[in-house]
Amino acid sequence: DVKVTQSSRYLVKRTGEKVFLECVQDMDHENMFWYRQDPGLGLRLIYFSYDVKMKEKGDIPEGYSVSREKKERFSLILESASTNQTSMYLCASSLGAGQGYEQYFGPGTRLTVT
Amino acid sequence: AQSVSQHNHHVILSEAASLELGCNYSYGGTVNLFWYVQYPGQHLQLLLKYFSGDPLVKGIKGFEAEFIKSKFSFNLRKPSVQWSDTAEYFCAVFYNTNAGKSTFGDGTTLTVKP
Repeated sequence: DVKVTQSSRYLVKRTGEKVFLECVQDMDHENMFWYRQDPGLGLRLIYFSYDVKMKEKGDIPEGYSVSREKKERFSLILESASTNQTSMYLCASSLGAGQGYEQYFGPGTRLTVT
Repeated sequence: AQSVSQHNHHVILSEAASLELGCNYSYGGTVNLFWYVQYPGQHLQLLLKYFSGDPLVKGIKGFEAEFIKSKFSFNLRKPSVQWSDTAEYFCAVFYNTNAGKSTFGDGTTLTVKP
């Protein structure tokens, strides 16, 4: 089974702090994604990466950055956390071209910024 | 812009009732289609998927979905729901022009009353 793990299930940070969310997948997937999930808004894509050191902005990249130094690890960085970044953050990975792009999700990190 | 629309935000059913959740997507050529489910306290997981071939696809737990290309729809169905089907359901569409990322609908919360 594909496993996607996230470093924390719950996180509480203060406004202005730099926040790192880590995600690791164990199936050698090319693609990795970061979403935020908010009630009534579904999943909104923040960033995705289709290869090591490659990244593309999603729908809501403002206030976030990402890092992918190794194929299995994809980090989301909040440079200066704000209260409107309080949310559930989901990491996912998927296979590449020709394999349908079915995504496998981690358990999520519920981030609260106070 | 590519978009996915789920018609119902919240559906309440009694056990043994039939279920149909609507999903429509904007025109975008060749697509792969997915339904994901998130049970309370659990991570998102794949329910079923359509890549090609028979437009009626069957997934886990008795769910099925039908791809109707002329209507740009991929509705999810189950003939008889159970209390354990209480969850949030997301439709997702992968457009082959989209470099590996899928677009998600806003989600439908299903509550099944025992």
